[in-house]
Amino acid sequence: GQQLNQSPQSMFIQEGEDVSMNCTSSSIFNTWLWYKQDPGEGPVLLIALYKAGELTSNGRLTAQFGITRKDSFLNISASIPSDVGIYFCAGQLSGGYNKLIFGAGTRLAVHP
Amino acid sequence: EAGVTQSPTHLIKTRGQQATLRCSPISGHTSVYWYQQALGLGLQFLLWYDEGEERNRGNFPPRFSGRQFPNYSSELNVNALELEDSALYLCASSLEPLSYEQYFGPGTRLTVT
Repeated sequence: GQQLNQSPQSMFIQEGEDVSMNCTSSSIFNTWLWYKQDPGEGPVLLIALYKAGELTSNGRLTAQFGITRKDSFLNISASIPSDVGIYFCAGQLSGGYNKLIFGAGTRLAVHP
Repeated sequence: EAGVTQSPTHLIKTRGQQATLRCSPISGHTSVYWYQQALGLGLQFLLWYDEGEERNRGNFPPRFSGRQFPNYSSELNVNALELEDSALYLCASSLEPLSYEQYFGPGTRLTVT
């Protein structure tokens, strides 16, 4: 079935460092979304991307919809301790009838 | 504005029993989605309801079912529970059927013993 390959699986960084994570697929997506999940909580929508090549920022977060429509990346600049959590990418396939495919997540740890 | 709410927070059942999970979407949202998140894994799409109708279904057996009520709240029912059904079940809602921006509730942690 369709799947998203999200990498890296986990990251351990120092406060203040920049972070980059990405999702790739062999399938073409119409929409890319990035979510963050804190322990014991549901995922929270961070950024939504709708057009190939689109670059969108939300504070220290920047995400891009790949030109090929098969990938997306998320950057976090100047990380802070509250950035800790699991980041999920999600994509909506062409003709996917609102069904989102989620990546396995990137677990981020930030050391003060 | 209240977010998506789910109940109960935790549910413990034994194998073979039935579980019922409930979800209330954000006010004004008509679409409700259910996902299963097994420990340490990503989210797997279960069901999508809009305007009281099941619109799409993931690769789960028929013992996973649900419904959406006229007030857009939803129930997920899992019959004949199996140990591998233990997971966090997340509900999400969106403003309209064609919006892919889904907003999630805190989840119900189902444990099957």
